[in-house]
Parts: sequence; C-alpha cells; structure tokens
Amino acid sequence: DVQMTQSLSYLAASPGESVSISCKASKSISNYLAWYQQKPGEAYKLLIYSGSTLQSGTPSRFSGSGSGTDFTLTIRSLEPEDFGLYYCQQYYEKPLTFGSGTKLEIK
Amino acid sequence: EVQLQESGPGLVKPSQSLSLTCSVTGYSITSNYWGWIRKFPGNKMEWMGYISYSGSTSYNPSLKSRISITRDTSKNQFFLQLNSVTTEDTATYYCARGRWFAYWGQGTLVTVSS
Repeated sequence: DVQMTQSLSYLAASPGESVSISCKASKSISNYLAWYQQKPGEAYKLLIYSGSTLQSGTPSRFSGSGSGTDFTLTIRSLEPEDFGLYYCQQYYEKPLTFGSGTKLEIK
Repeated sequence: EVQLQESGPGLVKPSQSLSLTCSVTGYSITSNYWGWIRKFPGNKMEWMGYISYSGSTSYNPSLKSRISITRDTSKNQFFLQLNSVTTEDTATYYCARGRWFAYWGQGTLVTVSS
C-alpha cells in the first residue's frame, strides 16, 4: 500500500497568515493526489485534486503543489472559517489511502 | 445537486454483520464510482472499497473477504455489508463518489459493542 504521511498533526495560525500542510507518499504517485477539509458536523469537502487543480467552489486562497512523492497544501491569508481537519489522499493505485490528517486551529 | 445519505443501525454486536445503505440523489449510480470510507476514533481514515458504474467492485485487501458492496440501480442506492465485525470496526462510515471524492455523505457512526 502507498503510505501517506502528514508530518504535522496540529497547526495553529492567526487570520491573515499563510500556512502550508505537507503530505509525503511512500512511492511516486505522479499527481494523483487530493486534499480534503473536514469540519465538525459537516460533510468532507474536496479542495484540490490532481495535486493542484482547485475543485469548483474552493476559494483561490487555497493552492496545491507537488508531484511524485512530496505535496503541499497552502492556504494564503487565513480566514476564520478555514479551521478544521485536512487530509491528503492518493488515488494512484488501490487501495486508495489517506494521510493521518492535520488539524488546523485558528488562533 | 449530488447528495449522498448513509443509513443503517448505529449499534452492531460483535461477530454480527454491519449493513449500511447509501441513497444517492442528483446523479445516477450507473455512472462513476461509489465507495465506502470509514474514519476511526483518532481520525485515521480507511478506504473500504467501491462499486463501479458497471457493477464491478474493488475492495481494500485489509478487509479480506469480510466486505461486500452491492447496488440497486432502480432505487439509486448502494450498500455495504461487513461481516464478522469486532470492536475495531467501530467508526464513522461514509459513502462517497469517485476515486477522489467530490461528494460525501454526512457519515453515520457505527458502534460495535455487546
């Protein structure tokens, strides 16, 4: 299985700051990577797919980069509503696998 | 608008089977892929498997022969059955569309306990 590692389990930042969340794959997955946001009581939200393509409705302050094994989700100019759990997921091969999640708290 | 909704028992006894239904509106399940994902206490996520637009299935090998995903196209629903459950199957279960998941249900908590 492709192991997805999110090295930061917790991150706190203030509104207006920029943050980056990293995700590392145990083997090359090309750009077959998606990013999700989960908030309590809400459905998961797909933010980015194909490593860097914004899903319709995702604010432009979100961006994704990377290819191969190393990927980054960047949120520029944080908004209070950006708190939540962020996961990466690879769909290069089955079984599809997720990172362990990064909890973003807004100070 | 595509919407998915899970339903099923919230409590299952050990060794029994867990059965969930995902009802889909706004999109036909004869297109795309339709899967089940679970989130364990502690936030670990596991993809369980999916059923394709043609009815073929793919499962996570970690679930071995315990899992079955089926569908009823006339009702636009698909189903999860997980056999021989243990307390380690306690999780929130989600249905979702695709291989990267643009649409998710709200999730349903299933507790395995006697």
